[in-house]
Amino acid sequence: EAGVTQSPTHLIKTRGQQATLRCSPISGHTSVYWYQQALGLGLQFLLWYDEGEERNRGNFPPRFSGRQFPNYSSELNVNALELEDSALYLCASSFTGGQPQHFGDGTRLSIL
Amino acid sequence: GENVEQHPSTLSVQEGDSAVIKCTYSDSASNYFPWYKQELGKGPQLIIDIRSNVGEKKDQRIAVTLNKTAKHFSLHITETQPEDSAVYFCAASTGNNNDMRFGAGTRLTVKP
Repeated sequence: EAGVTQSPTHLIKTRGQQATLRCSPISGHTSVYWYQQALGLGLQFLLWYDEGEERNRGNFPPRFSGRQFPNYSSELNVNALELEDSALYLCASSFTGGQPQHFGDGTRLSIL
Repeated sequence: GENVEQHPSTLSVQEGDSAVIKCTYSDSASNYFPWYKQELGKGPQLIIDIRSNVGEKKDQRIAVTLNKTAKHFSLHITETQPEDSAVYFCAASTGNNNDMRFGAGTRLTVKP
């Protein structure tokens, strides 16, 4: 069974640009979660999508947004990139709103 | 909201010894407590989880204990091996809105 897959593995952007990160959940999972893991820090909850809708949002500014497609894959968009957005962005999936969450290997976003 | 504290931040043990990592949480409504292992360049991997109706759970060399009254839970690894070296994260969730909160992580080093 394929796990959670994320693309790209690495992404380099400059300040002010926009970034798009992608996630494909485990087959059968309908919930997708996004987390930010800044260097040396724990995981911070960003967003939860289920059945195509945003269900919950962490304490992040509106320039962090996303969507979930009919096939349950998801995109995370970060607008007006700032230096402090440099981090590993992790996607996780689960059955509808349930536990446990299973993680992908992340996208490393670097802002120059 | 939920706040999860994790100790110690680093732990070094000799191969074959036991390792214990402790976490405390603040929200008495939390009812799901997973532990994740993160190796370098990888996403967090679920290693064991416990729900609030259980006091202890064991899986081979790994065990988790939960004290709901004191609001703390611990990960115990026995007969440690070099491949156990990684960063371990605890987390707590109320199951509502799936805003899982993570501890800051423990870097475990097992010396051969």
